[in-house]
Amino acid sequence: EVQLLESGGALVQPGGSLRLSCAASDFAFNNYAMSWVRQAPGKGLEWVSAISSSGDSTYYADSVTGRFTISRDNSRDTLFLEMNSLRAEDTALYYCAKMVTATSHLDHWGQGTLVTVSS
Amino acid sequence: DIQMTQSPSSLSAYVGDRVTITCRASQSISRSLSWYQQKPGKAPELLIYSASSLQSGVPSRFSGSASGTDFTLTINSLQPEDFATYSCLQSYSIPYTFGQGTKLQIK
Repeated sequence: EVQLLESGGALVQPGGSLRLSCAASDFAFNNYAMSWVRQAPGKGLEWVSAISSSGDSTYYADSVTGRFTISRDNSRDTLFLEMNSLRAEDTALYYCAKMVTATSHLDHWGQGTLVTVSS
Repeated sequence: DIQMTQSPSSLSAYVGDRVTITCRASQSISRSLSWYQQKPGKAPELLIYSASSLQSGVPSRFSGSASGTDFTLTINSLQPEDFATYSCLQSYSIPYTFGQGTKLQIK
């Protein structure tokens, strides 16, 4: 069964940085695109970023372009999200999700890691 | 950006009812539309992909359909475990966008 385990969430001050990780297991990680999706407290889902299976192509929401960087290490079956210049509005539960391709649905999700941006 | 307008935002129904939830795209997205169910404190789960394909393991009372830029999720014979929040997602064009969500509550 596909397993996705996010980590790295924390309380960080505005303007700070954080790196989220998502450890994947029980599937061929290097064959699938991956995404990050976030959910602010009490709000709906917001797609944040996606990366192709090889890592050659990356995609971002307008709200994070230039501040967030998605990457992956296929040798370690791990997905990353580097977050810089964090703002209060970035406060959310961040999910990683498996895709079939970079333009497909999200067929498996992790349980999320909480990022809180506050002074 | 493609806007996904989901309706209704909330819905009350009885066990055994049939309910429909709709997402309207602001422009053509082909059939690149998926539906997710989310229960409180849990991660979303995929129900329907490519507008009408049922994800493996999802009960057959869930179905999806498409007509132009309008997409519908139908749940037949509601079960107690179906009371949750449902969201659509277009993955046709970057940035991908979710609908606002529909909270389905027990009447």
